[in-house]
Amino acid sequence: DVKVTQSSRYLVKRTGEKVFLECVQDMDHENMFWYRQDPGLGLRLIYFSYDVKMKEKGDIPEGYSVSREKKERFSLILESASTNQTSMYLCASSFVLEQFFGPGTRLTVL
Amino acid sequence: GDSVTQMEGPVTLSEEAFLTINCTYTATGYPSLFWYVQYPGEGLQLLLKATKADDKGSNKGFEATYRKETTSFHLEKGSVQVSDSAVYFCALSDRSGNTPLVFGKGTRLSVIA
Repeated sequence: DVKVTQSSRYLVKRTGEKVFLECVQDMDHENMFWYRQDPGLGLRLIYFSYDVKMKEKGDIPEGYSVSREKKERFSLILESASTNQTSMYLCASSFVLEQFFGPGTRLTVL
Repeated sequence: GDSVTQMEGPVTLSEEAFLTINCTYTATGYPSLFWYVQYPGEGLQLLLKATKADDKGSNKGFEATYRKETTSFHLEKGSVQVSDSAVYFCALSDRSGNTPLVFGKGTRLSVIA
């Protein structure tokens, strides 16, 4: 079975902190994605990557950056966390059509 | 651009009731269609998919048929259970699989005993 793991299930940070959300997949997938999920807004794509060291902006990249130094790992970085970045963050990887999701990280920024 | 519209929730049903969650799409070309499910406290998981017109995807008693003429992919289940309570997302992908999935906003289903 494909496994996508995220470093934390719950995270509480202070405004202005630098935050790293880590995602690791174990199926050698080329494509990886970061979404945020908010009530009434569904899933919104933040960034995605089709290969190591490659990244593409999604629909809402402002305030975020990403890093993909190894194929299996895709990190989401909040350079200076703000309260409006309180959300559920979901990582996914894919091979061809199907996406496989991690369990999510619920981030609260105080 | 491509888009997915699904019925807004929440939907509340009694156990053993019939479920329909509507999903329609707008896409250039000929997309593949998916239903994902998110159980409480978990990430999304693929429920079923269809890759061409008139295909029927099915899993765990759920079904959806790819209707090109009505650009729809409605999710149905004949008899829901309490364990089906979750959020359901309709999504599409272009044929290449080289662009991210486009998701609907999700429909929350609550099934009461």
